[in-house]
Amino acid sequence: EAQVTQNPRYLITVTGKKLTVTCSQNMNHEYMSWYRQDPGLGLRQIYYSMNVEVTDKGDVPEGYKVSRKEKRNFPLILESPSPNQTSLYFCASSFQEGTEQFFGPGTRLTVL
Amino acid sequence: AQKVTQAQTEISVVEKEDVTLDCVYETRDTTYYLFWYKQPPSGELVFLIRRNSFDEQNEISGRYSWNFQKSTSSFNFTITASQVVDSAVYFCALSEAVDAGNMLTFGGGTRLMVKP
Repeated sequence: EAQVTQNPRYLITVTGKKLTVTCSQNMNHEYMSWYRQDPGLGLRQIYYSMNVEVTDKGDVPEGYKVSRKEKRNFPLILESPSPNQTSLYFCASSFQEGTEQFFGPGTRLTVL
Repeated sequence: AQKVTQAQTEISVVEKEDVTLDCVYETRDTTYYLFWYKQPPSGELVFLIRRNSFDEQNEISGRYSWNFQKSTSSFNFTITASQVVDSAVYFCALSEAVDAGNMLTFGGGTRLMVKP
């Protein structure tokens, strides 16, 4: 089954404790992105990747890191999480620009 | 900069009513793509449709139909004979060809509640 998976689905952590949210897709897509969804602010892109070892900032990259060492994986790293990073995070992948993006199930992160 | 506006924040209908969700967009690019996504209460984002800026043909898929009008920069979504399972938040989104990141700019979403 073609899908985007994310882990963990739910995470409660404390300020400053490094964490990684994994994302994997099995559709051989070139593009991958991370979005966060916040009430009143909608969905905003954090980082994207056009291919292996090619990543760049989206609209709200501060406080996040990403890597793309393999085509299928695109982890999101929070080196020192803060409460304002409490959000619902979505990973997405697409074949190429302009095509539909397929979203993972979301990761609900709470930073205390 | 690109922008997507969904003026209806919440709509409530009774089952079997038809309902139209409005979407208005702004872009300076001549090549762009429009999307609709559904977010049911379970939280995932489900892709519904994609349209490119050169294809103004309306589309129907079962009870769903979409009306794309470049003249008014609108991409409206109609559900015919709504059902309780249609209850969800619906997002309209735009991506521009000039954007290397394939970034989707989302509207604020319309929460649709279909009552039995």
